[in-house]
Amino acid sequence: LAKTTQPISMDSYEGQEVNITCSHNNIATNDYITWYQQFPSQGPRFIIQGYKTKVTNEVASLFIPADRKSSTLSLPRVSLSDTAVYYCLVGRAGTALIFGKGTTLSVSS
Amino acid sequence: NAGVTQTPKFQVLKTGQSMTLQCAQDMNHNSMYWYRQDPGMGLRLIYYSASEGTTDKGEVPNGYNVSRLNKREFSLRLESAAPSQTSVYFCASSAGQGYNEQFFGPGTRLTVL
Repeated sequence: LAKTTQPISMDSYEGQEVNITCSHNNIATNDYITWYQQFPSQGPRFIIQGYKTKVTNEVASLFIPADRKSSTLSLPRVSLSDTAVYYCLVGRAGTALIFGKGTTLSVSS
Repeated sequence: NAGVTQTPKFQVLKTGQSMTLQCAQDMNHNSMYWYRQDPGMGLRLIYYSASEGTTDKGEVPNGYNVSRLNKREFSLRLESAAPSQTSVYFCASSAGQGYNEQFFGPGTRLTVL
């Protein structure tokens, strides 16, 4: 079961770029890296997924180095509504997908 | 498309009672999952079903049983509820082909007295 390590918490101000790094030293060849966002009293929501290099969508970017042992979620110009818990998962379809402890991001004005 | 639905939304049980949490998805997904989330904690995988007809244990399976009734439905049963099972239970599904984006239901808040 792939395990991940993230910072427990991060603080930021509105308008700043936030980078959250996840360590996954035992990632398998076929594993993907996926990030989720969770607000209180809600289920996690998909943000972005990647296998290698860089992936960008309308809300975030995901940077993955060549060795794939870590990944960085980048949130450009955060707002108060980005205050949430962010989880990094590694795994592949049809296998046990294990959530780590997540990173609590607090955005202040 | 309703996505992933869970019933009930809330439930209070007494120690020793049994109940079944229901989950259904209408996205034709192959894989389904049950997680629990204790207050202030991350999600922990209870059981998962990679495809119809298969189920496997996750991180914390003790005290639970599951049934993949068909491709749409995946139920979680507590045979003899204990206070330690007080938690929010989330069901999720994923296509199960090539990548693993999961779609989550709204959760069931269970309290065991």
